[in-house]
Amino acid sequence: AQSVTQLGSHVSVSEGALVLLRCNYSSSVPPYLFWYVQYPNQGLQLLLKYTSAATLVKGINGFEAEFKKSETSFHLTKPSAHMSDAAEYFCAVSDPGTGNQFYFGTGTSLTVIP
Amino acid sequence: DGGITQSPKYLFRKEGQNVTLSCEQNLNHDAMYWYRQDPGQGLRLIYYSQIVNDFQKGDIAEGYSVSREKKESFPLTVTSAQKNPTAFYLCASSIVSGGPQHFGDGTRLSIL
Repeated sequence: AQSVTQLGSHVSVSEGALVLLRCNYSSSVPPYLFWYVQYPNQGLQLLLKYTSAATLVKGINGFEAEFKKSETSFHLTKPSAHMSDAAEYFCAVSDPGTGNQFYFGTGTSLTVIP
Repeated sequence: DGGITQSPKYLFRKEGQNVTLSCEQNLNHDAMYWYRQDPGQGLRLIYYSQIVNDFQKGDIAEGYSVSREKKESFPLTVTSAQKNPTAFYLCASSIVSGGPQHFGDGTRLSIL
């Protein structure tokens, strides 16, 4: 069965510091991978997606993520945090091995300290 | 602009009452989904539909019902059998099953 693990339910960084949000998955076949951002009382917005093309994926708002098959990871990074980055971030996996069912991680709340 | 519209944004339910949450999309997507979000638990799938007139139960379907009579619409009914309905409900759609999902802005349901 597919699963998605986000390490750290809460992450705090200083403004201007590197943002690193971790995501690991389990899958018997290479999956499709996604990162979403959610601001309070809003829906989820797609940040970026990996669909078996380039392993380094660039998304909106300066975020990027790297697919590492050997580590079964898809960590999200941003070189310099802005106050506006404070939000909840979700990693998600679509597993072709299980009929493309979608699985979401439990989320990481990012706090940016001025 | 295309998108997903959920209404109402806030909804209150009385004991023993059924309530229906609306979800409409104009993205021409085949697949639609309903999720429940509780603090600290991420998103849990309630129902999904891959095509008109067909839908499947997700992980927490008990106490909920759906219909998919039109491609654009996927309403969710929270029945009186759902004993703990207070949550944030999110509707999503994707071009095909497994593709990136696009979300509405959610409906927050509370009990009176």
